[in-house]
Amino acid sequence: DTGVSQDPRHKITKRGQNVTFRCDPISEHNRLYWYRQTLGQGPEFLTYFQNEAQLEKSRLLSDRFSAERPKGSFSTLEIQRTEQGDSAMYLCASTYRFLPLGALTGNEQFFGPGTRLTVL
Amino acid sequence: GIQVEQSPPDLILQEGANSTLRCNFSDSVNNLQWFHQNPWGQLINLFYIPSGTKQNGRLSATTVATERYSLLYISSSQTTDSGVYFCAVQTGANNLFFGTGTRLTVIP
Repeated sequence: DTGVSQDPRHKITKRGQNVTFRCDPISEHNRLYWYRQTLGQGPEFLTYFQNEAQLEKSRLLSDRFSAERPKGSFSTLEIQRTEQGDSAMYLCASTYRFLPLGALTGNEQFFGPGTRLTVL
Repeated sequence: GIQVEQSPPDLILQEGANSTLRCNFSDSVNNLQWFHQNPWGQLINLFYIPSGTKQNGRLSATTVATERYSLLYISSSQTTDSGVYFCAVQTGANNLFFGTGTRLTVIP
């Protein structure tokens, strides 16, 4: 257990439905990342937050995707009007961006167990 | 963006054998991590090693940043070592770029 949790672990939906995933990072971490992993590939970056601010979005994040991190704690990733091509594992990771006093390491990302999405 | 290449893509070992996995990257990095992805998809942190050498039990890793490669050594492999090993690098302070992984199968 890395300390990062994700919910749900599995989601099966029909094409055209909306889905929302949640990520709870390690509590002291101020950066939160979303990645997507398709079969046989390594994870690919989608977006990241520093505290509550969304600082970067990749080209993979189409208009149907939206992410939030209210109050800089947990984050949600919503996919609207799902398509079969959205089927993938969605991974969340967290890290320190600026080392708090007493922290031994920073910048190392820790991943949650992922949400596996299947769009029928 | 930065290119990350891992070799070999697939590796089959007899239990007890040793192995070396390689990760080449195309630009300077300020973070390099090795992960083991288990059959349920969980990425397990093995090493945070932007440079130098580290050891943890039967695993060790070396990153030569000036030559843009990293090596992961697995000694006395066990069946529980099976899975996919990913190298991931970071430039600047943002996201990780992952390689396509090495799929390791350890047979008893």
